[in-house]
Amino acid sequence: QVQLQESGPGLVKPSETLSLTCSVSGGSINSDYWNWIRQPPGKGLEWIGHIYSGTTNYNPSLKSRVIISADTSKNQLSLNLNSVTAADTAVYYCARDVRGGSYSDHWGQGTLVTVSS
Amino acid sequence: AIQLTQSPSSLSASVGDRVTITCRASQGISTTLAWYQQKPGKAPKILIHDVSSLQSGVPSRFSGSGSGTDFTLTINSLQPEDFATYYCQQFKSYPLTFGGGTKVEIK
Repeated sequence: QVQLQESGPGLVKPSETLSLTCSVSGGSINSDYWNWIRQPPGKGLEWIGHIYSGTTNYNPSLKSRVIISADTSKNQLSLNLNSVTAADTAVYYCARDVRGGSYSDHWGQGTLVTVSS
Repeated sequence: AIQLTQSPSSLSASVGDRVTITCRASQGISTTLAWYQQKPGKAPKILIHDVSSLQSGVPSRFSGSGSGTDFTLTINSLQPEDFATYYCQQFKSYPLTFGGGTKVEIK
């Protein structure tokens, strides 16, 4: 059973970089697609991007500010989002994409990141 | 980007009711549509993929239908544990996008 766990700072200052890690167990990050998805408080879901075997695909709305990477030795994913503003305050989820650019069948519990000075 | 419009944005229903939620795409997406259920403070859970395929372990009272631009999630005989927010998601093209959600509340 695939399990995912997000971790990282819960508070980030405006203009700084948001950095999160997703630890994956029960599956290899080398063999599947892995999404990052976020949800502002009380709002809907937004796909940030995904990574597969080192290749990434990003939402154009965030592409200039986001980097998704993978550490295969630790079986971990990372999300970096720079120049954050209050609009980036959200619960951030990592999730496994079933077949690449499709739907997500396993999700982490999510981590709330607040952007505030 | 393909936009998904869900209706209604919220509804009130009673246990045992049949509930229908609609998702309309801004362009044709064939059968590349999924439905999720989300409860407060929890991650979304996949219910249905490829319009009408029930994810393993999901009760059969959930069903999906549609094609092209218009899709429907139906919950037959609503149960107490079904009160939640439901989202559709398209995977026809990047960026992957979600509908705005439909909150199903207790009447």
